[in-house]
Amino acid sequence: AQKVTQAQTEISVVEKEDVTLDCVYETRDTTYYLFWYKQPPSGELVFLIRRNSFDEQNEISGRYSWNFQKSTSSFNFTITASQVVDSAVYFCALSEVSGGYQKVTFGTGTKLQVIP
Amino acid sequence: KAGVTQTPRYLIKTRGQQVTLSCSPISGHRSVSWYQQTPGQGLQFLFEYFSETQRNKGNFPGRFSGRQFSNSRSEMNVSTLELGDSALYLCASSLVRFGDSGANVLTFGAGSRLTVL
Repeated sequence: AQKVTQAQTEISVVEKEDVTLDCVYETRDTTYYLFWYKQPPSGELVFLIRRNSFDEQNEISGRYSWNFQKSTSSFNFTITASQVVDSAVYFCALSEVSGGYQKVTFGTGTKLQVIP
Repeated sequence: KAGVTQTPRYLIKTRGQQVTLSCSPISGHRSVSWYQQTPGQGLQFLFEYFSETQRNKGNFPGRFSGRQFSNSRSEMNVSTLELGDSALYLCASSLVRFGDSGANVLTFGAGSRLTVL
């Protein structure tokens, strides 16, 4: 069974601090995809990044970076020099093909509050 | 292009009533998924529709149902509402590519917030 754990329920940081959101996943499949979504107060989840299980290369996009390590089943997300606009709930998700169809399992989310 | 549109955004019902929520996916997206989000349970998968057929269903009672129309618009219905059905119901659409690799990105609507009194 697939499972995604985001142990940090809420994090508060002061603006300009760096913050890392943890994500640990469980799966028996060798082929899968990992996602991060951001949910601002407006409600809709916004796609941030997708990685496949064969690509462990870390990625940096502006102030965002992601560290994928299959050895520890982790896909952590770091925001550098946080800003108030980063305040949101962040979800890590695991996607696999099950019974021929895509099955997506979300973590419980980490609420990030950036204090000005 | 227009995003995923969910209506209504907010609604209040009483126990025992039923409710219908609507979702219009991004043009060209044929897959529509529904999720229930609550503070205690997080995001839980309800069901997915593709080409008017339910392809996947989560672990919810039969009071939760849905359908998809030929234009890919989807509705979900909850009958005999209970207090525990109070939640944000999110709809997501995706452009399903050949092979269904699991890589499909979900585009979410802003949700319908249901309060059951």
